[in-house]
Amino acid sequence: DGGITQSPKYLFRKEGQNVTLSCEQNLNHDAMYWYRQDPGQGLRLIYYSQIVNDFQKGDIAEGYSVSREKKESFPLTVTSAQKNPTAFYLCASRMTRGSYGYTFGSGTRLTVV
Amino acid sequence: DAKTTQPPSMDCAEGRAANLPCNHSTISGNEYVYWYRQIHSQGPQYIIHGLKNNETNEMASLIITEDRKSSTLILPHATLRDTAVYYCIVREGYGGSQGNLIFGKGTKLSVKP
Repeated sequence: DGGITQSPKYLFRKEGQNVTLSCEQNLNHDAMYWYRQDPGQGLRLIYYSQIVNDFQKGDIAEGYSVSREKKESFPLTVTSAQKNPTAFYLCASRMTRGSYGYTFGSGTRLTVV
Repeated sequence: DAKTTQPPSMDCAEGRAANLPCNHSTISGNEYVYWYRQIHSQGPQYIIHGLKNNETNEMASLIITEDRKSSTLILPHATLRDTAVYYCIVREGYGGSQGNLIFGKGTKLSVKP
């Protein structure tokens, strides 16, 4: 079945470490997105990419980096520069043609220990 | 900032219709209304979207007022599994950065037995 897969589901990081969250989709979607969600809050956009080898900063890009080397993959690196990285991270994808909605992954919960 | 206003919480009796309102008074002519829901600790799930006309699918109905300044999501026979946070979002339906979703805090719907 087509879908979007995030891994791992839970991730623990020591302060000062970089960690990479995986996001893979087999929906042939053009655009991919990373969102961050804090408890009781809505989703905030970190980065997005509408085409391979191109991506743009969202509202809260500081301390994060991404790459889009393949259409299917959009990994997010949480760097040591991100001062408050503990959060729930969601990846999404969509077709850029038409009014189709987004498909979301099941999320990665990152905790700094 | 989110372009929509929703009540923070609502209750509904199991088996009854759940009517979730959303105000979007600044919606522009080419913006669609999208509804998503998020069950605790999962990724958001697409429900329905519309531009002008009322829409219905297997999950819900979407009623958009004639002036398009507000809409209502209707879950015809709510079940306990419909307990979730429901997000109403407006955005352009086609490509570009304007196609990004901007999430507010949504409405927490509690379906009670």
